[in-house]
Amino acid sequence: DAGITQSPRHKVTETGTPVTLRCHQTENHRYMYWYRQDPGHGLRLIHYSYGVKDTDKGEVSDGYSVSRSKTEDFLLTLESATSSQTSVYFCAIGGSDQNIQYFGAGTRLSVL
Amino acid sequence: ILNVEQSPQSLHVQEGDSTNFTCSFPSSNFYALHWYRWETAKSPEALFVMTLNGDEKKKGRISATLNTKEGYSYLYIKGSQPEDSATYLCASRGDTGNQFYFGTGTSLTVIP
Repeated sequence: DAGITQSPRHKVTETGTPVTLRCHQTENHRYMYWYRQDPGHGLRLIHYSYGVKDTDKGEVSDGYSVSRSKTEDFLLTLESATSSQTSVYFCAIGGSDQNIQYFGAGTRLSVL
Repeated sequence: ILNVEQSPQSLHVQEGDSTNFTCSFPSSNFYALHWYRWETAKSPEALFVMTLNGDEKKKGRISATLNTKEGYSYLYIKGSQPEDSATYLCASRGDTGNQFYFGTGTSLTVIP
């Protein structure tokens, strides 16, 4: 998976609890992305980062926050998880704004 | 938000058949288009990066073309094999912002 590790791979949590997903890369790529994948919607961008401490919102950012304090780590936080955030979350990295993205293995999150 | 559409949604072909599918995207302010192959239980893997009108890319039996003026890209698979079974995603980016918008994919099943 091109030096990308997502953790945890699976998580079950309860509505209202905070959840943090981690994406770690060993490729020193500048860009990092968080997507969610839901049936009928394909991959939708939540947030992305174009450098340390530089982040921006994606298409479906409500209810999510991110942080990138170092090049290799990009954290996605659900401040107060809701059932609508049950999904598969993918992290991706890219070397430039045009380059292909390399995806992690995904995190399956269930919010009960 | 860019509206990226893929057709057909799913496709079943016999081994040895050639096939193609379409990705449509807004032609105005086009920046780049990516094709990805996504096998079940795996992560999306990049096939092609396309940026110029008239681009043609090829990797083995798979090829792609790009028409930025009319806003479409075709992916062709020659002599389909069972191992080609996967979902094929396209993603388009405009020249403002840094995010790619994904289509919902074409699911290809090659019947032996």
